[in-house]
Order: sequence, then structure tokens, then C-alpha cells
Amino acid sequence: QVQLQQWGAGLLKPSETLSLTCAVYGGSLSDYYWRWIRQTPGKGLEWIGEINHSGSTGFNPSLKSRVVISVDTSKNQFSLKLSSVTAADTAVYYCARGGYCTGGSCYPSNAFDIWGQGTLVTVSS
Amino acid sequence: SYELTQPPSVSVSPGQTARITCSGDALSNQYAYWYQQKPGQAPVLVMQKDTERPSGIPERFSGSSSGTTVTLTISGVQAGDEADYYCQSADSDSTYFVFGTGTKVTVL
Repeated sequence: QVQLQQWGAGLLKPSETLSLTCAVYGGSLSDYYWRWIRQTPGKGLEWIGEINHSGSTGFNPSLKSRVVISVDTSKNQFSLKLSSVTAADTAVYYCARGGYCTGGSCYPSNAFDIWGQGTLVTVSS
Repeated sequence: SYELTQPPSVSVSPGQTARITCSGDALSNQYAYWYQQKPGQAPVLVMQKDTERPSGIPERFSGSSSGTTVTLTISGVQAGDEADYYCQSADSDSTYFVFGTGTKVTVL
């Protein structure tokens, strides 16, 4: 059973860089997209971006200029960096797998089928 | 930017049926997915590709699609179904993902 565990700094000052890592347990990074999402009370759930095992990425156009997503296949981990944070970046950040399972088999998908536990990141001076 | 619109809230008595709609221009050619989120927890996928129920999701949950609107239906609602529900899809060019505004389901 695939599980995601994420970690990173929870308190940042304005202009700093947010850095989070998500480890994949019980499965391989291959064959799926691996995604970052954030959730704020005001804007709800917002997709940040994604990466696959070979490093191919996609980003939310509204955040693209500040986001870097990388993958470390040797550690079965992927990471998020968001630069120049402001109070508007205060949110719970989630990592997730882009896939879905049916009939006992799993496939890459536009769905977000497995989620990490979430990390609250607060930006405050 | 592309948006998915949901009603803010739906209230239903135990045993009754809750229907949650999600509207978006690209839903006529993009699949929708639904998530259940309880307080303090990560979202859980409860419906995929408009109408497919993932393993472990009760048969009480069903999905349908018509034009630019998709619907998540919860039949025989139970107290444990009280949660926020979000739809999710992609824009028409499949360049980015978007989540709906969310619907709070209250079991009376």
C-alpha cells in the first residue's frame, strides 16, 4: 500500500523560500505523476504543480515563476520549492500521487488518489 | 482562469439523498473527480472519471455527468458522510488542474 509522508519548515518570513519534501513508501516513483497542492481558507484547494520520475514537470500558471519541483529517484522522494513567499502563501501544503486504481491495478491519471498528511506553512514577519 | 462552481452547502437528513453539483465549461470533454475532506484530514478520492468508484468507497456514492455539469450523489446519507466535498478536473487543453469551490454537506 503506497503511502506519502511529507515534511518541511512550517514557519517562514516574507521573501524566504518554502521547501517541502514528500517520500513515497510502498511503491515506486515510476509510472505516475507526483503533485503538490495547497489549501487556504480563502482560495480552497489549489494545484501547484507536478513531476514524473524522469523529471517532466507541469505548473499552475499563477505560480509557475516561483515554483521548482524536483525528484530524487534514489531516495524515492520529490520536493517543492516556492520562492519569495508572502502572507498569501500561508496554507496547508499537500503532496499527492496522480493516479487511480481499478480492478486491482493502478494507472497514472488526472486524479489525486493518494495524499500526504499535509504541512501547515505560515508566512509571518 | 478556469473555474469549477459548486454550491456552498447541502443539508440532508440521515437516510436521504444528497446531490452535489459541479459546473465548468470544460467538463463536457474532461473527466471529473470528487474528494471528501473531513476536518483536519487530507482529501480522499471518492469518485474518479465521472462515474467510477475507487476501491473501498461505499456503493452509496455515485457519479453522473451531463454536458458541463457533473453530480456526486450520496444515497442513504449517514452521519459519517458529513464533510466538505470538492470536484476536480483539468482545463480543456489539459495544461493545468483545478478544484471546485467546495460543498459542505451537513447531516441534520
